[in-house]
Amino acid sequence: AQTVTQSQPEMSVQEAETVTLSCTYDTSESNYYLFWYKQPPSRQMILVIRQEAYKQQNATENRFSVNFQKAAKSFSLKISDSQLGDTAMYFCAFMNPPGGSEKLVFGKGMKLTVNP
Amino acid sequence: DVKVTQSSRYLVKRTGEKVFLECVQDMDHENMFWYRQDPGLGLRLIYFSYDVKMKEKGDIPEGYSVSREKKERFSLILESASTNQTSMYLCASSWGQGISYEQYFGPGTRLTVT
Repeated sequence: AQTVTQSQPEMSVQEAETVTLSCTYDTSESNYYLFWYKQPPSRQMILVIRQEAYKQQNATENRFSVNFQKAAKSFSLKISDSQLGDTAMYFCAFMNPPGGSEKLVFGKGMKLTVNP
Repeated sequence: DVKVTQSSRYLVKRTGEKVFLECVQDMDHENMFWYRQDPGLGLRLIYFSYDVKMKEKGDIPEGYSVSREKKERFSLILESASTNQTSMYLCASSWGQGISYEQYFGPGTRLTVT
C-alpha cells in the first residue's frame, strides 16, 4: 500500500519569504501522480499543484513550485514570496490511477502560518 | 466553476442515531468521494463512487454506508452514530476516466456525536 509522509506538522514564515514543505512517499508503482492541496482556515480544500511521475520537469504554478525527486521518493513544495493568504493546512497526496483507481492517499498535513 | 455542496456545515447528533450527510456536485462528475478529516491523521477515504449505484470501500468504511442514486448526489450514512465518529467529513468529486484527476472539495460537515 502506498503511504505519504509529511514530517513537519507545523511551520511559520515571514511574509515575502520563501518556504519549503516536505513530503515523502512510498510506492512500488512507476506511473503515478502527486498533488499538493491547500485548506485555508474555514474554507474549502483546493488543488495547488500537480506532478506526473513520468515527467522529469518540475511543475510550477506562479509562486508555487515542486522539487520532485523520483528516485528518493520526495515531493517538496516551495512557496516563494509568501503571502498572508498562504496561511493554511497543506496536504501532500498520491494517486496511482492505473492500479488504484482515482483514489487519493493523503499525508497527515502541515499547518503553515505566514506572519506579517 | 465546479461547485460541491454539503447539506450541513455543523451537525450535532446523539449516540445511536442514524445520520445522513448529503453531498451534491454540479459538474456531471463521474467520481465522488467521502473523506474523514481528523487532526494529526489527515484525510482518510471512507467510500467512493465511480458511477451511479456503484461504490467501493475506502480505508475506513466500518460504521458507514453510502448511497448514490443520482449522478450528482452522494450520501454518507452513519447507521448508528457513535462518539468516535465525531469528526469533519469532506465530500469531493472528480471527472473520472482519466480526465484531470483533480478532486474538488465541499466545505465540510463538522459532526459531533454526543
